[in-house]
Amino acid sequence: DAKTTQPPSMDCAEGRAANLPCNHSTISGNEYVYWYRQIHSQGPQYIIHGLKNNETNEMASLIITEDRKSSTLILPHATLRDTAVYYCIVSPTGFQKLVFGTGTRLLVSP
Amino acid sequence: GAVVSQHPSRVICKSGTSVKIECRSLDFQATTMFWYRQFPKQSLMLMATSNEGSKATYEQGVEKDKFLINHASLTLSTLTVTSAHPEDSSFYICSASPETSGGLGEQFFGPGTRLTVL
Repeated sequence: DAKTTQPPSMDCAEGRAANLPCNHSTISGNEYVYWYRQIHSQGPQYIIHGLKNNETNEMASLIITEDRKSSTLILPHATLRDTAVYYCIVSPTGFQKLVFGTGTRLLVSP
Repeated sequence: GAVVSQHPSRVICKSGTSVKIECRSLDFQATTMFWYRQFPKQSLMLMATSNEGSKATYEQGVEKDKFLINHASLTLSTLTVTSAHPEDSSFYICSASPETSGGLGEQFFGPGTRLTVL
């Protein structure tokens, strides 16, 4: 499985956009980029995933560089409830086991 | 989205006893489910892949005789921690992906089970 690199922590003011980067320079052509988050003492929650094109849903936007070696998760208007650990994972399909790195701990402050 | 449940949410047991944790996909079927373990302030570590109707596949370093996995139906997988010891105290989480997604979608995670072994 390709490895990902994320900053250990980030801060964001409530109401501002949170931009979480992820490097996956060894990603294979058939691997998707998945983003999950884990709020304290809960199971991970799916956020978004993509292959090549940028994606947007009701939770976030995913921007993938043209060479697919990095991506950015964007929470357009962060709220206090977005405080969590965010994991960027690459995987060929949703049926495959997910290898979790250390993630980015996002702290949203008033 | 699809829902995965786990039971119990919390369990406290004495050292040497066995504990069974259930993972259910409530509104979808899943041939494959995954079991993870998470120690405090650490990331999730995959323990095993649970396959319906066949033996589970364990990750390196996970004792298959200690962590028994049974995937008897397309909606239920169980993890039994046998002869539990305090070092087995952890947060156990399962996940699954709907068969109908063709593997192109996301995995759904259960809420987790916190095991404390005294």
